[in-house]
This record gives sequence, C-alpha cells and structure tokens, in this order.
Amino acid sequence: KAGVTQTPRYLIKTRGQQVTLSCSPISGHRSVSWYQQTPGQGLQFLFEYFSETQRNKGNFPGRFSGRQFSNSRSEMNVSTLELGDSALYLCASSLDGATNEKLFFGSGTQLSVL
Amino acid sequence: GESVGLHLPTLSVQEGDNSIINCAYSNSASDYFIWYKQESGKGPQFIIDIRSNMDKRQGQRVTVLLNKTVKHLSLQIAATQPGDSAVYFCAENRRGGFKTIFGAGTRLFVKA
Repeated sequence: KAGVTQTPRYLIKTRGQQVTLSCSPISGHRSVSWYQQTPGQGLQFLFEYFSETQRNKGNFPGRFSGRQFSNSRSEMNVSTLELGDSALYLCASSLDGATNEKLFFGSGTQLSVL
Repeated sequence: GESVGLHLPTLSVQEGDNSIINCAYSNSASDYFIWYKQESGKGPQFIIDIRSNMDKRQGQRVTVLLNKTVKHLSLQIAATQPGDSAVYFCAENRRGGFKTIFGAGTRLFVKA
C-alpha cells in the first residue's frame, strides 16, 4: 500500500509569490491534516479536511488555505509569501480523523522563500 | 492555552542504555496520546500510543507511561541503538477536536 505522497519535494519562491502544495493520502484514508514544521516552532497544525470539508483550522493567517477533492487528495495554498513562511510543510492522513487515530505522514515539501 | 511540552530539547545516551523522554500536556480533556519518531528528511512516524484509560503500554523495546494526575507522559526505549537517533515528539488528540497537537520535540543522540 502506497504511503502519503507529497509533491513537490522542494520549492523555492520569492516574497509576494504564491505556492500550491499537493498531498495524496493513503488509499482509503479520508482525513487529511496539514502541519507547518520550523526549527523554532515545531509542528504547528494548519487545518484538517474530511469529505471535502474543513473541520478544524489552526492559528494561521488567511493567506494559508486548503481544499480537499472528492478522491481525498488535498492541496494547500499560501498566497503573498513572506520570508517567515519558509518551512517544511507536512501532510498526514488517517481513516476518518476521529479521536484515537494515529496519523500517517508524508515526507513533506520543503519551502524556501527568498 | 493548548500545549504539549517537552522537558528536554536534547538527550544523549550510550548505546545499549535505556532512554527516557518526558512530556507534559496541559488539557485534562485529552484522551489519546501518541509518540512519533522523526528521522532526518522524513515525516514523523508512529511509535506507540496510549489511551487515557490506561497508564502503561508496551511495544517492542518501547514503553509509554501516562500519569494523568500530573499530566505527564514518558517514552522509554530499552537497549537504545544507533538507529534510534532521531527527534521524538509526543502528541495529544482531543475528543471531537479533529486535530493532533504536537510537543516541541526531543532530539535523541545515541553514542556508540
């Protein structure tokens, strides 16, 4: 069974640009969560999607958005990039996102904003 | 506020010794706790979990202890090996929260 796939693996952007990251969950998993990982802040929750609906959102500005498609694949978008957005963006999937469910992570997209 | 914290940012142990990584959580409503291991260049990987109705759970070379009275979680690794070198995160999941909150992480160094 294929794991969580994130593309691209690396991205370099300049300030003011926008970026779209993609995540394909494990087959059969319908919940997708996104996290931002930085050395100083650890893993910060961005949002969680299930059945194309955002069920929870972390404390990030509106420049960060996401969506989920009917096949459970998910994308996140960051508009008007800032230097501080440089981070590893991780996607994780689980069966339905209910309590007592572990997450399966992809290898992440490393975003560098210059 | 919400937080799952770790007492030590780094831990260095001798190969073959036991390792103990500690974690504190803040919300007594949390009912599910997980430890993840993250190796360089990879996403976090599940190690072991425990539900709030338990106080101890054992896996292969790993044991998780939960003390709800003081809101403390620990991960014990027996006979630590070089392959155990990684960053370890504790995490908590709350009923109906639809999110998992991660601690800051502890980097484990294993000396040969």
